[in-house]
Amino acid sequence: NAGVTQTPKFHILKIGQSMTLQCTQDMNHNYMYWYRQDPGMGLKLIYYSVGAGITDKGEVPNGYNVSRSTTEDFPLRLELAAPSQTSVYFCASDEWGTEAFFGQGTRLTVV
Amino acid sequence: GQQLNQSPQSMFIQEGEDVSMNCTSSSIFNTWLWYKQDPGEGPVLLIALYKAGELTSNGRLTAQFGITRKDSFLNISASIPSDVGIYFCAGQRKLQGAQKLVFGQGTRLTINP
Repeated sequence: NAGVTQTPKFHILKIGQSMTLQCTQDMNHNYMYWYRQDPGMGLKLIYYSVGAGITDKGEVPNGYNVSRSTTEDFPLRLELAAPSQTSVYFCASDEWGTEAFFGQGTRLTVV
Repeated sequence: GQQLNQSPQSMFIQEGEDVSMNCTSSSIFNTWLWYKQDPGEGPVLLIALYKAGELTSNGRLTAQFGITRKDSFLNISASIPSDVGIYFCAGQRKLQGAQKLVFGQGTRLTINP
C-alpha cells in the first residue's frame, strides 16, 4: 500500500515555463488536496477535490490549475511559472475530509 | 481566511524535558489533528481528536480537544532526539460546503542532547 505518491521529488523550472506535478493515491479516498509550504511557514491550501470530476479553489489558487478525472489522480498544473511559486508542494488525501494523509512533497524552484 | 494561532513558534529544550504546545482560533472546529513533519518529508498524523473535551494519548504524546472547540494542546513527555521536527495543528470544519483542514504555522522543536 503506497499511500500518496508525488512525482517529481525535485524540479527546477524556468520563469514562464509550465509543468504538471503528479499526485496519485491508492486508498480510494474521496478528498484530495494540494498545499504549498514556503520556508518556515505552515501549509496553504491551493486546490481541493471532494471526488472525481469535482474541484474547487483553496486559499492561494492563482497561477495553478487542477483536474480530477479519476479517484486516484489529482495533478496540479503550473502555467507561466513565476519565482513566487518556488515552494514545496504537498498532495494529501483522506476519505471524508477528516484525517489527511500526505505525500512526501515536490520541491520546486523557479529561476 | 480561517486562522489558527499556534504557539510557541519554536522551542529549544534539553533531552528528557516535557514539551507543551497549543493552537487557538476564533472559530469552532469539529476535529483537531496534530501532525509532525521531519525535514524533507510530508507531515505525518500523530493524533486525531473528534469530541470537545476529548483527551487522547499516543505513547509519550497527549493531546486534548478544548471544551470550547476553539483550541487544542499537544504535550510530549520525556523528549528524545527523534522528537525533533515541526509540529502542526490542524482544525477541520465545513467551509463552502466541504470539509476542510486549516493548519497552524507550526512549532519547530529542537532538542539539545
